[in-house]
Amino acid sequence: SAVISQKPSRDICQRGTSLTIQCQVDSQVTMMFWYRQQPGQSLTLIATANQGSEATYESGFVIDKFPISRPNLTFSTLTVSNMSPEDSSIYLCSVVWTIVAAQYFGPGTRLLVL
Amino acid sequence: AQSVTQLGSHVSVSEGALVLLRCNYSSSVPPYLFWYVQYPNQGLQLLLKYTSAATLVKGINGFEAEFKKSETSFHLTKPSAHMSDAAEYFCAVSDFQGAQKLVFGQGTRLTINP
Repeated sequence: SAVISQKPSRDICQRGTSLTIQCQVDSQVTMMFWYRQQPGQSLTLIATANQGSEATYESGFVIDKFPISRPNLTFSTLTVSNMSPEDSSIYLCSVVWTIVAAQYFGPGTRLLVL
Repeated sequence: AQSVTQLGSHVSVSEGALVLLRCNYSSSVPPYLFWYVQYPNQGLQLLLKYTSAATLVKGINGFEAEFKKSETSFHLTKPSAHMSDAAEYFCAVSDFQGAQKLVFGQGTRLTINP
């Protein structure tokens, strides 16, 4: 499986600020995704990060709030903009490893907004 | 639309006892089903997957799951629980080969009693 890293691993931010989360994969992958896991909850898909084009957002998530970049097949960023305490969550990136037809997750970024 | 229901948000078993975590799915097309485990302060780790091959799927750490189309179920079992199995377990469904756009259940927290 691919090795996936995320930076930062955790952060504490003030409301109204923005945080950019990085996701790095050790091999080229076609499909990359960003998920949110709110405290005590399951995972919800935010968007599909498309290489060379705009991300595809799920219902309830918008580009202005969660801009995503995917400059190449091994890297993506998710920005959480104009943060409020409701944005306190774990944010995870994932990739599809085509050979085994399964999705693998990064370690997550734990965000606390005060 | 697809959905996953995990019966029981908390399951507690004694060390050495059978582990049974329940998952029922809804899908309009043949599903691809997955079980993930999340240890405290970690990302998600793939336990096993069903992608229309054998109905009994064996995964890592001694876990297995059986796909039952007639019952729309994909329950996770392990014959003998170990203290290290204590974690959150998520069942997920995808209707795309290659595990795109996973829809997750709410998760089941497994506690192991000594």
